[in-house]
Amino acid sequence: NAGVMQNPRHLVRRRGQEARLRCSPMKGHSHVYWYRQLPEEGLKFMVYLQKENIIDESGMPKERFSAEFPKEGPSILRIQQVVRGDSAAYFCASSGNGVQPQHFGDGTRLSIL
Amino acid sequence: AQSVTQLGSHVSVSEGALVLLRCNYSSSVPPYLFWYVQYPNQGLQLLLKYTTGATLVKGINGFEAEFKKSETSFHLTKPSAHMSDAAEYFCAVRDMYSGGGADGLTFGKGTHLIIQP
Repeated sequence: NAGVMQNPRHLVRRRGQEARLRCSPMKGHSHVYWYRQLPEEGLKFMVYLQKENIIDESGMPKERFSAEFPKEGPSILRIQQVVRGDSAAYFCASSGNGVQPQHFGDGTRLSIL
Repeated sequence: AQSVTQLGSHVSVSEGALVLLRCNYSSSVPPYLFWYVQYPNQGLQLLLKYTTGATLVKGINGFEAEFKKSETSFHLTKPSAHMSDAAEYFCAVRDMYSGGGADGLTFGKGTHLIIQP
């Protein structure tokens, strides 16, 4: 699906644990976006990153959530001390620049026990 | 702030019938507009986009959409529905100018398209 690779596809965590979601953008893309999709809802923008920089994190919860896109390796969305309300599908998208259409991965379905 | 309204969370049409999925948006600046399709347990696939130029945009799988500025609409149509079109469809908008919180897409809540045999 458009070459954006997300893993794992499914992740189960217990309350209080940490969740780490990975995203490798399409080849040649240096812009990464993270979205969260709750059941029966559309996607909500969380954060926009370029290599080693957070450009826009206006959609990120103020606590427990962080994101990075290092010079080498995938982008990581990290959720500390997960709670039941964090259960959702998390999608990553990438683009070649800030104007080109975003291409989405298949998502990571996070379930909190 | 931007917002996207998709009228009808579920739309049911017969195979071979016209498909019309409605999308209205609000944006304080000229928008870029998108339609995405999502199949179960998959990510979103871009159907079509409007940036500038011709207001009637053709996409993949026989879909098209028309940008009507006066109506702030970007409805998605397909002349003849096929069983394989059954999926969730999302309309999305972003500001033409990036930065200042306008970089992410703003999505509608989605319309589930059901195709009756």
